[in-house]
Amino acid sequence: QSALTQPASVSGSPGQSITISCTGTSNDVGSYNLVSWYQQPPGKAPKLMIYEGIKRPSGVSNRFSGSKSGNTASLTISGLQAEDEADYFCCSYAGGTTYVFGTGTMVTVL
Amino acid sequence: QLQLLESGPGLVKPSETLSLTCSVSGGSVSSNSYYWGWIRQPPGKGLEWIGTIYYSGGTYYNPSLKSRVSISVDTSKNQFSLRLNSVTAADTAVYHCARLETATVAYDYWGQGTLVTVSS
Repeated sequence: QSALTQPASVSGSPGQSITISCTGTSNDVGSYNLVSWYQQPPGKAPKLMIYEGIKRPSGVSNRFSGSKSGNTASLTISGLQAEDEADYFCCSYAGGTTYVFGTGTMVTVL
Repeated sequence: QLQLLESGPGLVKPSETLSLTCSVSGGSVSSNSYYWGWIRQPPGKGLEWIGTIYYSGGTYYNPSLKSRVSISVDTSKNQFSLRLNSVTAADTAVYHCARLETATVAYDYWGQGTLVTVSS
């Protein structure tokens, strides 16, 4: 069970859109529509932003959206804002009631 | 509002056992709608899934940690616990407890986390 691969960092200017990729294998991301995404500001607990690959919990801005193609899931943040600056992690169900997290991506708002 | 609070020693010696407890308030660990899990984050690194437990006691562990980890639940105290034995410096991390909703298969509530350092 290897960690899902994410870019170490992604940056963008306010108002722009950015996309964070999360690459797994046919044993996890590719087999299940069960990828979740978490936002973690420095020193804080992670917050659920996307579940089942594309769904937003109540209260999460519609500027956050998820998608998947093959073994890669993606999180897009549109209309980037200063408050979006944080670490972002993906997580996939990997079968047998096990889970695997991504390596994490630091988002910087320029 | 559900709250999860991790507690336990912040310093553990190499080869000894790390023990943490997650106290749940505003909700019940006995609910059949949730699993309860542990996730850790070494300093400056990503999240690593440790394992989860169901209220009935069913447990599921990260294969890489399975030989050293044990998660248990105490419904009378509304808490669940983590034990990781034979620790090394590589086990130094912030340990988070979290709730996994069975319907969404996502961790919807997290504790703030507690730093455990493995050092002599």
